[in-house]
Amino acid sequence: KAGVTQTPRYLIKTRGQQVTLSCSPISGHRSVSWYQQTPGQGLQFLFEYFSETQRNKGNFPGRFSGRQFSNSRSEMNVSTLELGDSALYLCASSWYGVENTGELFFGEGSRLTVL
Amino acid sequence: TQLLEQSPQFLSIQEGENLTVYCNSSSVFSSLQWYRQEPGEGPVLLVTVVTGGEVKKLKRLTFQFGDARKDSSLHITAAQPGDTGLYLCAADTGTASKLTFGTGTRLQVTL
Repeated sequence: KAGVTQTPRYLIKTRGQQVTLSCSPISGHRSVSWYQQTPGQGLQFLFEYFSETQRNKGNFPGRFSGRQFSNSRSEMNVSTLELGDSALYLCASSWYGVENTGELFFGEGSRLTVL
Repeated sequence: TQLLEQSPQFLSIQEGENLTVYCNSSSVFSSLQWYRQEPGEGPVLLVTVVTGGEVKKLKRLTFQFGDARKDSSLHITAAQPGDTGLYLCAADTGTASKLTFGTGTRLQVTL
């Protein structure tokens, strides 16, 4: 069974630009969560989508947004990029959803560098 | 302030040594998970502990959930280079941020 697929794996942007990251969950998983991972802050929760609805949101500014499509694929967007947005962005899918603290299956991440 | 504090932050040991990683909090959790993340990969679930005092073994890895369900430990016996990675504990904090991850312990096992 295919795992969680994230694209692109690596990307470089400049300050002020925007970026869209994509995540395809494991087939049958309806919950998709996004995390930001940095050396200083560790893994921080961005948001979670379940059946095309945002169920939970972390403590990030409105520049960070996401959506989920009817096939459970999800995208996240970061607008007006700042240097501090440089990070590994991880997507995770689960069968039961984060609310039930079921196992999270992570993708390999999208590494964003902002210059 | 981090809800889940892990210690130590970094650990460099030689093959064959034993080690223990700790995950501590002042909050009570209904369950706690341990993940391992290898370079260039996403975290992978190792175990979920649910009951206070619970001990689970996964080959050379032993996981324990504190009696009060506020802390957990991961003990590795006879570490191998393949154990190298970032070890993360995670818990449902019952807040908007849901599954919260610990600060992480980076383990390096050398020959």
